[in-house]
Amino acid sequence: DGGITQSPKYLFRKEGQNVTLSCEQNLNHDAMYWYRQDPGQGLRLIYYSQIVNDFQKGDIAEGYSVSREKKESFPLTVTSAQKNPTAFYLCASSPGTSGSAEQFFGPGTRLTVL
Amino acid sequence: RKEVEQDPGPFNVPEGATVAFNCTYSNSASQSFFWYRQDCRKEPKLLMSVYSSGNEDGRFTAQLNRASQYISLLIRDSKLSDSATYLCVVKRGGFKTIFGAGTRLFVKA
Repeated sequence: DGGITQSPKYLFRKEGQNVTLSCEQNLNHDAMYWYRQDPGQGLRLIYYSQIVNDFQKGDIAEGYSVSREKKESFPLTVTSAQKNPTAFYLCASSPGTSGSAEQFFGPGTRLTVL
Repeated sequence: RKEVEQDPGPFNVPEGATVAFNCTYSNSASQSFFWYRQDCRKEPKLLMSVYSSGNEDGRFTAQLNRASQYISLLIRDSKLSDSATYLCVVKRGGFKTIFGAGTRLFVKA
């Protein structure tokens, strides 16, 4: 089955620790995205990548980092510099490189900072 | 002012009712429009794209009014399974995608 997988589903972290969220897709999509969703708010773009070895900051990139070494993988690291990291993190992908197509989402990771 | 605005609801309707949601966007350069559905604590899933001429998919009808900069979603003959949050999504071109905060719908028996 083609799709997007994210792991883990739930993640707990102590303040001051970095943590990496996994995102893998087997849809052969060129573009991948990371969003953050907080209660009562829309999704906000953290980073996106159009092609391998290239990525761009979104609206709220501070305190986050990404890499795109393989087409199918786009991990997100939440660093200790992120002031309020507790949120629902969603990874998405879309075909093509124009950005106009709809996005397909993974099941998400709920991060809680203790 | 948010770039994409939706009435958060909740809309509480009985089964079989017709319900309509509106969404307004502020950037006239917006190019692509979508409605996504998000179930509680799940990921968003594409419900339908919105075309200038309007489009229909079964019980769902989407309309776009570029002059007034709003998008609508009409659900006819509501089912219990339609209960969810409906997200309005606007793309300006390139990879800039703006998600509305969503409208919550509860369909009751």
